This record gives sequence, structure tokens and C-alpha cells, in this order.
Amino acid sequence: KAGVTQTPRYLIKTRGQQVTLSCSPISGHRSVSWYQQTPGQGLQFLFEYFSETQRNKGNFPGRFSGRQFSNSRSEMNVSTLELGDSALYLCASSTSSLAGELFFGEGSRLTVL
Amino acid sequence: GIQVEQSPPDLILQEGANSTLRCNFSDSVNNLQWFHQNPWGQLINLFYIPSGTKQNGRLSATTVATERYSLLYISSSQTTDSGVYFCAASGSARQLTFGSGTQLTVLP
Repeated sequence: KAGVTQTPRYLIKTRGQQVTLSCSPISGHRSVSWYQQTPGQGLQFLFEYFSETQRNKGNFPGRFSGRQFSNSRSEMNVSTLELGDSALYLCASSTSSLAGELFFGEGSRLTVL
Repeated sequence: GIQVEQSPPDLILQEGANSTLRCNFSDSVNNLQWFHQNPWGQLINLFYIPSGTKQNGRLSATTVATERYSLLYISSSQTTDSGVYFCAASGSARQLTFGSGTQLTVLP
């Protein structure tokens, strides 16, 4: 069974640009959530999608957005990039939106110059 | 939301030694997981353990939900056990809250 797949794995952008990251969950998983990891703030929750609906959102500015498609694949977008957006972005999938084990992908490492 | 605290922040061991990592959480949980983050950044699932005790080889974990803590035991540690160990929990809000991690270094 394939795991959670994130693309791209690495990318470099400049300030002011936007970026789109993709996450394909484990087959049969309908919940996808996104986390940001930085050395200063640690791992922080961005948002969660279940059956194409955003169920939960963390404390991030509106520049961070996401969506989920009918096949459960999810994308997150960051607009008007800032240097502080440089981070490892991790996606997790789960069978349930309410409880249950989360499985993480390898992450997308974003560098903003 | 839930607060998650891990201790110790750093741990250095000699190969073959045993260790205990602790995770305290501030409220009742419906999800508690332990992860090992590999050098490439991926979070590897170790245990899904909102309550009770589980074992997997040299690793075991116990969560005492009524006292709001979880312990991860590593026995006969190996150099490949080195890395950062995270505890994460969620309660009524679905999102996982992560602790700040324990950096484990196992020396040969």
C-alpha cells in the first residue's frame, strides 16, 4: 500500500512569489491535514480537509490556503511568500476526521530567498 | 487547546543503554502518537496510543490518560535510534499538537 506522497520534495522561491504543494493521501483515507515545521516554532497545524471540506484551521494568515479534491488529494497554496515561510511542510492522512492514527508524507522543503 | 510538553529536550546515551522519554499533556486526549523524525524530515509512526501499553520490538509505550502523560521506552539503544522523537496529541479539536521533541543521540 503506497504511503502519503508529497510533491515537490524541494523548492526554492523568492519573496513575493506564490507556491502550490501537493499531497496524495493513502488510498482510502479521506482526511488530509497540513503542518508547518520551522526551527523556531516547531510543528504547527495549518488546516485539515475531510471529504473536500475544510474542517479545521490553525493560526496562520490568509496567505495560506488549501483545498481537497474529490479523489482526496489535497493542495496547499502560499501567496506573497515571505522569508519566514521557509519551512518543511508536512502532509498527513487519516481515515477519519474525528480520531485515529495520522500518517505523514516525506514533506516539501520550501526555501524562500 | 491542548498543551504538550516533552522531556528531556536532549538525551545522550551509550549504545546498549535504555532510555525513557516523557510526554505530558494538559487535557484529555482522543489521539496520542509517538513519532521518530528521520534525517530527511519524515515523521515515522512509532505508536498510536491514546491509552494503555504497546510494544514493538525494542520500543514500548505507555499512556496513562487519567494522569495525562505518556512514556516511550527504548531498550538496548542502537546508533540508528538517534534522531528527534515527537509526541503529539489531540483532544476535542482534531488537529495534533506536537511537543518540542527529544533529541536523542546514541554513541557507538
